[in-house]
Amino acid sequence: ETGVTQTPRHLVMGMTNKKSLKCEQHLGHNAMYWYKQSAKKPLELMFVYNFKEQTENNSVPSRFSPECPNSSHLFLHLHTLQPEDSALYLCASTSGTGESGELFFGEGSRLTVL
Amino acid sequence: GEDVEQSLFLSVREGDSSVINCTYTDSSSTYLYWYKQEPGAGLQLLTYIFSNMDMKQDQRLTVLLNKKDKHLSLRIADTQTGDSAIYFCAEAPSGTASKLTFGTGTRLQVTL
Repeated sequence: ETGVTQTPRHLVMGMTNKKSLKCEQHLGHNAMYWYKQSAKKPLELMFVYNFKEQTENNSVPSRFSPECPNSSHLFLHLHTLQPEDSALYLCASTSGTGESGELFFGEGSRLTVL
Repeated sequence: GEDVEQSLFLSVREGDSSVINCTYTDSSSTYLYWYKQEPGAGLQLLTYIFSNMDMKQDQRLTVLLNKKDKHLSLRIADTQTGDSAIYFCAEAPSGTASKLTFGTGTRLQVTL
């Protein structure tokens, strides 16, 4: 496999469920990102991890809990979400701090909260 | 904070030129980007321009930057059905990926 892989591609959950999104990158990068993509809204940066350390948290509600066990894997744990959290969640990676501005994205996990 | 604005939708006929526009507010932006998102896929960097440039051309793509008006455009010549996608404008003050501010994306529909 190459690139950035996200699973599951689609997820439907109730507001009381606990689920996780997984991201894996095979590019040898050391920085990984979670973005939220909602219709008609700008892409929102949620979290940034650099060498497994969280370096950015853009005021994301605590019902979203990231985990980065190593530079190749990133998780987003979901708990007691709201319907407005329904969106496409994109994972991305870069080498270093991404000085070229080039993010390498996965295909996304489409989340629906009922 | 920084803001990047784009129109949401553009429809063009195959073979015509497409022009996707973007405005941004951060005057310290030094790098400006165009990303493309095909259906069911993540975003992919198409091209970028430094703020000290007015124009950049890459095959069918032409990027124009008007720094005074903080206006960026992407022109696609001879638009094909495979160009149908969402195009995101983004800016960063230092070119650092973690500092990128994206727009809403413009959905380009190419009709026959």
